[in-house]
Amino acid sequence: KAGVTQTPRYLIKTRGQQVTLSCSPISGHRSVSWYQQTPGQGLQFLFEYFSETQRNKGNFPGRFSGRQFSNSRSEMNVSTLELGDSALYLCASSVNRVGETQYFGPGTRLLVL
Amino acid sequence: SQQGEEDPQALSIQEGENATMNCSYKTSINNLQWYRQNSGRGLVHLILIRSNEREKHSGRLRVTLDTSKKSSSLLITASRAADTASYFCATARQGAQKLVFGQGTRLTINP
Repeated sequence: KAGVTQTPRYLIKTRGQQVTLSCSPISGHRSVSWYQQTPGQGLQFLFEYFSETQRNKGNFPGRFSGRQFSNSRSEMNVSTLELGDSALYLCASSVNRVGETQYFGPGTRLLVL
Repeated sequence: SQQGEEDPQALSIQEGENATMNCSYKTSINNLQWYRQNSGRGLVHLILIRSNEREKHSGRLRVTLDTSKKSSSLLITASRAADTASYFCATARQGAQKLVFGQGTRLTINP
């Protein structure tokens, strides 16, 4: 099976802009989670989607949003970008639940100038 | 806030030696997982140990779990240069729909 794919791999934006990141999970996986990784805060959970519904959300402002499509592909959106949003954004999929083994994509590295 | 805390934060050893990393957590868990990350890339799942298990092996990896002490250890035997990476523990709490990661241990294997 193909692994988790994320696009784009690298992105440069300026403050105030918005960005959309995409994630395609492993075929048959219905749970998709998003994480933000920064040197200072480490890996932080953003949200998880299952069957097009957000099941859980981390402690991030409303500027961070996401959605999941019927084919389990997921997107996350960050509006009104801030310098502190510069990070590696990782997507992970699992069969049914977040507590199972997570399969991670390569990540999207976002730089906000 | 991070539930898992890895110790040490960084570890440098010679190729062929064993590497031990520890993880402590705060609340009751369903399972604990270890992941490896090479140089800012995606994480790779290494091993999952359930709360009712005490030890698990996978190739050169050995993981132990002590739920009374809320701690786990990852042992990599006969280390290789390719083992150079950051290692993270992640806990799946009972009833919670998310994994909580520790800050990681940066392991360097010197040839």
